[in-house]
Amino acid sequence: ETGVTQTPRHLVMGMTNKKSLKCEQHLGHNAMYWYKQSAKKPLELMFVYNFKEQTENNSVPSRFSPECPNSSHLFLHLHTLQPEDSALYLCASSQDLQRGNTIYFGEGSWLTVV
Amino acid sequence: DAKTTQPPSMDCAEGRAANLPCNHSTISGNEYVYWYRQIHSQGPQYIIHGLKNNETNEMASLIITEDRKSSTLILPHATLRDTAVYYCIVRVAAGGSQGNLIFGKGTKLSVKP
Repeated sequence: ETGVTQTPRHLVMGMTNKKSLKCEQHLGHNAMYWYKQSAKKPLELMFVYNFKEQTENNSVPSRFSPECPNSSHLFLHLHTLQPEDSALYLCASSQDLQRGNTIYFGEGSWLTVV
Repeated sequence: DAKTTQPPSMDCAEGRAANLPCNHSTISGNEYVYWYRQIHSQGPQYIIHGLKNNETNEMASLIITEDRKSSTLILPHATLRDTAVYYCIVRVAAGGSQGNLIFGKGTKLSVKP
């Protein structure tokens, strides 16, 4: 139990569907992250939020739309995805963006696009 | 790209110490070395991190060479549950990357009975 909770743990969606992944952290942190892990590839950073403001978008396609309503919650809205978007999506949080502050990960949401 | 080099796989006997090496020859003076592990189908688990000095916690020890160009993660008494992919990460300097974690391919540690 890391204090970062992701729901749903598993999601299957069609290419025309709209769905959302949810992340909640109970650590009092101010920075939150979305990472993507495709099969046999290293984890890739997607988005970074600090104090609810997006500070980094790692050239992510617009079919992925993040939302951070407060420092404890982070969403990833999904729309018209492709089968190659099937992956493990990981949420993480840290106290802030300082390099000495540990980043803690959730258990991830497995997404399958059919 | 990741700034670290790790062996792709290692084996360790149960109950023995597991020593996982990592090279980070281009590390800068203000960059931390972080270790995470990932058990299949789960999110990465934080293990330990350090800047210059050796560090120890309830999970592991981190030994950083004096020139900081390499480090070793030590699991003192490996168990079967320690079988995982272990990632050594240099947390990049502030700026455009905001000090984020850049994951490489890691070392697949197999603990055997």
